[in-house]
Amino acid sequence: LAKTTQPISMDSYEGQEVNITCSHNNIATNDYITWYQQFPSQGPRFIIQGYKTKVTNEVASLFIPADRKSSTLSLPRVSLSDTAVYYCLVGGFPGYSSASKIIFGSGTRLSIRP
Amino acid sequence: EAQVTQNPRYLITVTGKKLTVTCSQNMNHEYMSWYRQDPGLGLRQIYYSMNVEVTDKGDVPEGYKVSRKEKRNFPLILESPSPNQTSLYFCASKTTEGVNQPQHFGDGTRLSIL
Repeated sequence: LAKTTQPISMDSYEGQEVNITCSHNNIATNDYITWYQQFPSQGPRFIIQGYKTKVTNEVASLFIPADRKSSTLSLPRVSLSDTAVYYCLVGGFPGYSSASKIIFGSGTRLSIRP
Repeated sequence: EAQVTQNPRYLITVTGKKLTVTCSQNMNHEYMSWYRQDPGLGLRQIYYSMNVEVTDKGDVPEGYKVSRKEKRNFPLILESPSPNQTSLYFCASKTTEGVNQPQHFGDGTRLSIL
């Protein structure tokens, strides 16, 4: 199973763009990259998922280079409500063993200041 | 409303007194999983289930049992709880259809074992 490495914490200010990078050197060919957001005392919530290049949805963008050994979650114009822990996971297609057992890393604690 | 429901939300009990934390999902998901979350360690998978009567160990299964007799329910059983099982527990579910669908998490159960 691919292990992920993220910065422990990051600070930013309201209105800024925040980029959180995740390293996953041992990613497998059938692994997808998924990011979750977690607020205190709540369960993680899905943000975005991708396989390669760039994915964008209404809350974030995910950039994945060609070698797929890292990925960057980009949060545009953050607000105080984006203060949370962000987790990067890698996993494969349903039915593959790597999709069954799931490993969360320690996550990145993002703090947004006024 | 699609949801994963855990009960109880909070529990304080004593060492050795058997307890069960229930988890139920209304999305007809095949995959269900239990995690524990401890400060500085992120989420660690305890057990998971690919479908009814199919369960397997995650990274930290010691001291826990699970069962999957019905698709919607996945209870976590602590036969003889100990203080090192004091933690925040999350149940999650997801479909195994399609490509690596994200997990849906419950709101958590905070257990304190004295």
